Amino acid sequence: EAQVTQNPRYLITVTGKKLTVTCSQNMNHEYMSWYRQDPGLGLRQIYYSMNVEVTDKGDVPEGYKVSRKEKRNFPLILESPSPNQTSLYFCASSSPGTSGDEQFFGPGTRLTVL
Amino acid sequence: LAKTTQPISMDSYEGQEVNITCSHNNIATNDYITWYQQFPSQGPRFIIQGYKTKVTNEVASLFIPADRKSSTLSLPRVSLSDTAVYYCLVGVSVFYGGSQGNLIFGKGTKLSVKP
Repeated sequence: EAQVTQNPRYLITVTGKKLTVTCSQNMNHEYMSWYRQDPGLGLRQIYYSMNVEVTDKGDVPEGYKVSRKEKRNFPLILESPSPNQTSLYFCASSSPGTSGDEQFFGPGTRLTVL
Repeated sequence: LAKTTQPISMDSYEGQEVNITCSHNNIATNDYITWYQQFPSQGPRFIIQGYKTKVTNEVASLFIPADRKSSTLSLPRVSLSDTAVYYCLVGVSVFYGGSQGNLIFGKGTKLSVKP
């Protein structure tokens, strides 16, 4: 089954404790991205990657890191989480189509930073 | 990037046709219009995409007038399960010269379908 998976789905942590949220897709997509969703703010892009070893900042990259060592994986790293990073996070992937991209989203990771 | 404007919320009843209009006055020549659906605590799901005139699939129809400054997502005979947030996005894939590796999600339209 074609899908984007994220782990963990739920995470409660404390300020300053490094964490990684994994994202993996099995559709051989070149493009992957991370979003965060907060009430009243909609979906905002954190980082994106057009292919292996190619990453770039989205709208709200501060406090986050990413890496793209393999095509299928795009982990999101919070080196020193803070309470303002409490949010619902989505990973997405897509492949160039004939027009705009159809992005496939993961199930989400709900992060709480105390 | 073209900015989009949608109603914040809409109410409907089961069996009715729902039309959600999105305004995108600054749409560029190469931009496509894409709609996503999102249920609570789930990732958005692609519904439909178009460039001009009308596009129809098994889920919805998308109407785009000649000037492309707006678009309308039409959901025929909605059911309770269509209650969700609907996002209108305008842009073009970065693989085809888009200015950013992203199509901007706004705040969407929250559709509530009542029995």
